[in-house]
Amino acid sequence: AQKITQTQPGMFVQEKEAVTLDCTYDTSDQSYGLFWYKQPSSGEMIFLIYQGSYDEQNATEGRYSLNFQKARKSANLVISASQLGDSAMYFCAMREIKVNYGGSQGNLIFGKGTKLSVKP
Amino acid sequence: NAGVTQTPKFRVLKTGQSMTLLCAQDMNHEYMYWYRQDPGMGLRLIHYSVGEGTTAKGEVPDGYNVSRLKKQNFLLGLESAAPSQTSVYFCASSSPGLAREQYFGPGTRLTVT
Repeated sequence: AQKITQTQPGMFVQEKEAVTLDCTYDTSDQSYGLFWYKQPSSGEMIFLIYQGSYDEQNATEGRYSLNFQKARKSANLVISASQLGDSAMYFCAMREIKVNYGGSQGNLIFGKGTKLSVKP
Repeated sequence: NAGVTQTPKFRVLKTGQSMTLLCAQDMNHEYMYWYRQDPGMGLRLIHYSVGEGTTAKGEVPDGYNVSRLKKQNFLLGLESAAPSQTSVYFCASSSPGLAREQYFGPGTRLTVT
């Protein structure tokens, strides 16, 4: 079973409108972290926002906010006031903590991404 | 402060040839990672390292080897390249901790013919 599911391969949004990108996850751990990354056409991976499983409030970073619904295991990214520069691939990722090498290590597991296109 | 750098940016190999991708980071991060990105597949972890001299397998390790002789460098090797290894390869690094984001390099586009 997929650990991270992004059900929207592609989405369109009108400039200046808000858009929600969906992400659901699967874990039996109580402690985990959720990340969103942006990949513009130039190819680099840009970190956007983080939500911890124990965080009581939804994370926000400027125009980005994370709609975290723990019981539903969803971590949707909301982009307010879309701009043309928001056109990109967006990846949701999860980190679970695994014990390794006498310490702990959590690798990121990525979803397949959503391609967002902002229309002028 | 260059962050994470990758060498080379592009490479074309013939089937059976070998090559090494170099990743370097100047943020003193303990953890380093190699991913591959294929269309429609997201990023998949190949190998990772939690410290100098240590490496471990990720989700798709077959056909690759890695070494972390220095804390700042993480090398990915292909001993006998195959067309299935045509992909974009990303290196990343991070500090330990649940909330620590990974910092990514610019990627290497590899084509195996």
